Parts: sequence; structure tokens; C-alpha cells
Amino acid sequence: EIMMTQSPDTLSVSPGERATLSCRASQSVSSNLAWYQQKRGQAPKLLIFGASTRATGIPPRFSGSGSGTEFTLTISSLQSEDFALYFCQQYDNWPPTFGQGTKVEI
Amino acid sequence: QVQLQESGPGLVKPSQTLSLTCTVSGDSISSDSYSWSWIRQPAGKGPEWIGRVSPIGSTNYNPSLQSRVIISVDTSKNQYSLKLSSVTAADTAVYYCARDIKFWSAGDYYYYMDVWGKGTTVTVSS
Repeated sequence: EIMMTQSPDTLSVSPGERATLSCRASQSVSSNLAWYQQKRGQAPKLLIFGASTRATGIPPRFSGSGSGTEFTLTISSLQSEDFALYFCQQYDNWPPTFGQGTKVEI
Repeated sequence: QVQLQESGPGLVKPSQTLSLTCTVSGDSISSDSYSWSWIRQPAGKGPEWIGRVSPIGSTNYNPSLQSRVIISVDTSKNQYSLKLSSVTAADTAVYYCARDIKFWSAGDYYYYMDVWGKGTTVTVSS
């Protein structure tokens, strides 16, 4: 199975700053990659699919890029509600696999 | 707006069978555009996909769990279910259900999870 590795484990940023999260696949997953946001006690929320397509209702400050094995999620100007756990997931190869997550904290 | 809700016992004894149900509201589980997945997440770790079921009952399972998992669908109740047998402490996790978007590309079907339930904590302990 494909291993997904996210970096860093924790990202400390201030509100209004830019956050850049990385996700690396152990082999190519083409553009079949999704990003999710997870907050305690809430359902994980789909942010990005197809590596770069924002899901419905996701604000434009969230953007995804990359293909193959290297992917990036960028939050252009962090809002208070963006402090959360983020994880990537590949769906190119079976079984689908997830990264271990990056926590974005103040 | 589609919503998913997990339900089932929060405590299961070792060697017994974990049983959970996901109730779907706001959409029909019978739609051919979707499949329905189960995912789990142990504390402090990344999620692990368990398996999925189609509206007609076709299933795919994670090879790591395949020998112990059964996922089934009940379209009359708009629900689907997970059974995981012979559980141990390693099966302690938050269990999520999620809807899979199914799409065709380059000669194959692909799935990504667009809506998730809030999750339910299952602890395996005597």
C-alpha cells in the first residue's frame, strides 16, 4: 500500500499568516489526492480533491497543488477557525491511505 | 444537505464483534453516484480506511482487516453497517462513516470521501 507522509507534524503560525503543509506519497498517485480538515468533536471536512479543486463552500484562501508524489496545501491568511488538524489522503491506489496529519496551532 | 450519523456500543469486550450502523439523512443511499465507507482513527494516529459498500451491496475491504470485516447496506432504512469480529485493544478507535464520490477517469473508477459523520468512539476492554 502507498504510504503518505505529512510534514511538519505541528505548524505554529499567527492569525493572518500563511501556512504551507506538505504531503508526500511513497509512489505516484497522479492527482488523486484529497485534503481534509479535522476539529475535535466534529466530522472531518473535505477541503480539496483532485489535488487542487476546492470542495463546495471552501473559501479561496485554501489552495492545493502538486501531482505525482509531492503535494502542498496552502492557507493564504490564517483565520481563527482554521486552527485544526489537516490530513491528506490518496485515492489513486487501493486501499486508500491517509497521512498522519499536521496540526496547525496558534 | 446530506448528514451521516454513526451509532452503536461504545464498549466492546476482547474477542467479541464490534457492530456499528451509519444512518444517512438528506440523500438516498441507493444513488448510483456514491459508495459508502467506514474509516477508523486510533488516538494520535492518522485515519485508516476499513472498507466500502455500494448501494447494491458490493464490497471492498482493506486487506489488513479483510478477514474480520463485513460491511452491509440496508437501502430500506437508508443505513449501512460495519461488523468487525475478534476485536482486540488495537481496534480501539474513533469510527467514522463517510460518503464516497464515485467518478470515472482513464478507464477506471475512483472514489474520494466528501461527507463524514462526526464519529463514534469504540473502546475494546474487558
